[in-house]
Amino acid sequence: AQSVAQPEDQVNVAEGNPLTVKCTYSVSGNPYLFWYVQYPNRGLQFLLKYITGDNLVKGSYGFEAEFNKSQTSFHLKKPSALVSDSALYFCAVRDSYSSASKIIFGSGTRLSIRP
Amino acid sequence: DGGITQSPKYLFRKEGQNVTLSCEQNLNHDAMYWYRQDPGQGLRLIYYSQIVNDFQKGDIAEGYSVSREKKESFPLTVTSAQKNPTAFYLCASTMDRGGDSNQPQHFGDGTRLSIL
Repeated sequence: AQSVAQPEDQVNVAEGNPLTVKCTYSVSGNPYLFWYVQYPNRGLQFLLKYITGDNLVKGSYGFEAEFNKSQTSFHLKKPSALVSDSALYFCAVRDSYSSASKIIFGSGTRLSIRP
Repeated sequence: DGGITQSPKYLFRKEGQNVTLSCEQNLNHDAMYWYRQDPGQGLRLIYYSQIVNDFQKGDIAEGYSVSREKKESFPLTVTSAQKNPTAFYLCASTMDRGGDSNQPQHFGDGTRLSIL
């Protein structure tokens, strides 16, 4: 069975500091991993994905994520946080052998950047 | 500019009433999905459709119904059988028919449904 965990409900970071939002997963086969961001009363926006290849994936708005197969993790990172990064972040995973309908979303992590 | 349009943005349901949420996309995507979002929880799949005139139940389909008569449209009806309908409903689409796809989902801006 597939699963994804975001262990932190909230992450607080000062503007200009690096940020990390954690995600761990479990799949039977090879994972397809995604990060999305959601602003209040809006839909989810795609940030980046890992399918195969380089473990460090770069995405939108200066975000990047590192795939770690041994730790089954896909943490989202940014070197220098902006107040505008404050939002709800979702990690999602599906097994490469299953259909797109089988994607599983984490419970979300609220990122708060203080000026 | 292509995208997914959900309407209305806010919807109120009376006791015993069915309500329909609209989802239209002009991305020429084959697959469409309906999710329910509750506070502190991830998205839960209600229904999905990989092709016109075909759809499948997701994890929480009870109390909901859908149709897919056109590629662009995938309306969701919340029936009176859904006893706890208050939630944020999100529609999404992907380019493929759900095969070995690594494409991300595109989302609409949601409909917030409340009970009167």
